[in-house]
Amino acid sequence: GESVGLHLPTLSVQEGDNSIINCAYSNSASDYFIWYKQESGKGPQFIIDIRSNMDKRQGQRVTVLLNKTVKHLSLQIAATQPGDSAVYFCAETRPAQKLVFGQGTRLTINP
Amino acid sequence: NAGVTQTPKFQVLKTGQSMTLQCAQDMNHEYMSWYRQDPGMGLRLIHYSVGAGITDQGEVPNGYNVSRSTTEDFPLRLLSAAPSQTSVYFCASSYSQGQGGGYTFGSGTRLTVV
Repeated sequence: GESVGLHLPTLSVQEGDNSIINCAYSNSASDYFIWYKQESGKGPQFIIDIRSNMDKRQGQRVTVLLNKTVKHLSLQIAATQPGDSAVYFCAETRPAQKLVFGQGTRLTINP
Repeated sequence: NAGVTQTPKFQVLKTGQSMTLQCAQDMNHEYMSWYRQDPGMGLRLIHYSVGAGITDQGEVPNGYNVSRSTTEDFPLRLLSAAPSQTSVYFCASSYSQGQGGGYTFGSGTRLTVV
């Protein structure tokens, strides 16, 4: 079936470097693509979203890029900090407000 | 603080027992959903509701029932617990359809079925 998937399960970066987390999707009918951050023992926390008719959206230290041609989504985190350590999920909204999640990427920050 | 409240936070059940996971939100959100998260996997949709009195099935509905008698509450019932239902359960709510950032998640219920 259709799914939202991630390229890599883990990512390690040096503190202060930029992080890039990737995601592939297969459903072209989604309204929004969303990135969530999940810290240990907590529920997913919204980071940033992008509407399907956009290519790029920026937030505070984060940028989401959407490439509809190759059905690829990425999350860029600038100047990665220890507090950014978490599992990051991409997700998409489908009709009737269904939210479909990918598998997740664990981001580890090295001092 | 406004948000999604889930109870209990932890629960251990014996195979065959039934129980209800509670979820309440105070944001007047129309849309509410239940997800389960297994180790190494993303969240999978169990059931969802687009308003009071309306519910529908998600990806993995078997073994679970829901009802939505009020806007605020969306309980999830396990009819006869099985070890395969050992998981972390999250409830989420959203204010409108087709929005991206409108989903708010609870802190989860960690369920173990022995």
